[in-house]
Amino acid sequence: GQNIDQPTEMTATEGAIVQINCTYQTSGFNGLFWYQQHAGEAPTFLSYNVLDGLEEKGRFSSFLSRSKGYSYLLLKELQMKDSASYLCAGMDSNYQLIWGAGTKLIIKP
Amino acid sequence: GAVVSQHPSWVICKSGTSVKIECRSLDFQATTMFWYRQFPKQSLMLMATSNEGSKATYEQGVEKDKFLINHASLTLSTLTVTSAHPEDSSFYICSASLVAGSFSYEQYFGPGTRLTVT
Repeated sequence: GQNIDQPTEMTATEGAIVQINCTYQTSGFNGLFWYQQHAGEAPTFLSYNVLDGLEEKGRFSSFLSRSKGYSYLLLKELQMKDSASYLCAGMDSNYQLIWGAGTKLIIKP
Repeated sequence: GAVVSQHPSWVICKSGTSVKIECRSLDFQATTMFWYRQFPKQSLMLMATSNEGSKATYEQGVEKDKFLINHASLTLSTLTVTSAHPEDSSFYICSASLVAGSFSYEQYFGPGTRLTVT
């Protein structure tokens, strides 16, 4: 079966760094997406990885290891506005997104 | 670029009535649109995938006669919740991708529609 696993909730301190892990099992693989979703709003795209390695985009970076079925989202210099749910989604061979349940990130001052 | 709009943003309706939600891609042609439902504190649940000019593909457990999807043009898809009941109250989100099939493009999400059935 297809499955995406990520922690339910994480807490971090403003200004710090946090890493949100995601493991995936999909039928075929066409990439791994990370989305940010604030409460009551629709998801917004953060990153896409299809090759192994680290993709850096400002304060956010995303890493992929296809052999391990593993990805992480790294958030640096955390700000209060980064408090949100972070959704990991794998794209299968049919180009359909398989969604994780999301990781609620709580930022404390 | 790649903006998706939804209308209405929120709606309250009485049990037994039908509600139509529109999803539009404003600055691109969306061959494929997706409809999701999200209950509080839960992840997105894909309801159906629709391609312009053809019937939608519904996920297992989603009643196609209850959730009518029409993808009439490359910029518009509609979801009609027929004979709505309180358990249909949820956050409905559409998304659109630029190209169907061969390329793994990101999905661009609309702002969502919060439906409350009383």
